[in-house]
Amino acid sequence: DTGVSQDPRHKITKRGQNVTFRCDPISEHNRLYWYRQTLGQGPEFLTYFQNEAQLEKSRLLSDRFSAERPKGSFSTLEIQRTEQGDSAMYLCASSPRTLVQETQYFGPGTRLLVL
Amino acid sequence: AQKVTQAQTEISVVEKEDVTLDCVYETRDTTYYLFWYKQPPSGELVFLIRRNSFDEQNEISGRYSWNFQKSTSSFNFTITASQVVDSAVYFCALSEAPSGGYQKVTFGIGTKLQVIP
Repeated sequence: DTGVSQDPRHKITKRGQNVTFRCDPISEHNRLYWYRQTLGQGPEFLTYFQNEAQLEKSRLLSDRFSAERPKGSFSTLEIQRTEQGDSAMYLCASSPRTLVQETQYFGPGTRLLVL
Repeated sequence: AQKVTQAQTEISVVEKEDVTLDCVYETRDTTYYLFWYKQPPSGELVFLIRRNSFDEQNEISGRYSWNFQKSTSSFNFTITASQVVDSAVYFCALSEAPSGGYQKVTFGIGTKLQVIP
């Protein structure tokens, strides 16, 4: 039973560069979430997919951020023209679709450092 | 708007002591869900428990127990006979009933627990 996986686990980049992160959810989960976690804070919601449809985006997700889930399986999160303030842990979570309640299962995260 | 408050930012205990992590929440919904997650130094958030607002029964799982009290909007987490492996950041989280197809989860800022051998 494999969990949520994320790649890469760590990324160091220079300001202004573009970066892309990948998330592979648990195979039977059709809901996928991206969160951002800065030092000393809890995760903050960025965006949500149900299958391939991106149904919700936080105002935290600026125009430099884009997320996709083209076939309803893995997802990518791209940050263009990175800024030092983008340095954070980016977490992906997935959950099964249920009528009432769900639990989100998280991956190990991608830790981004923008120099 | 939903809110989760974890007033204890850091706690240190000596191994084998019991420790309680506090969580207070705010929500306008009558149906909601509460969670605890553990985040060890490796960074992965590990799911520990989910409770729904209709079930105030306390739960015990090994050395872990949870006390849910709607009257005080609290969902506290107790570790009995703490061990060094319990050292981590613990997050309390809240989600309201599905709206628009998904449950938005709001996390507290976390409580960092250090268990000293």
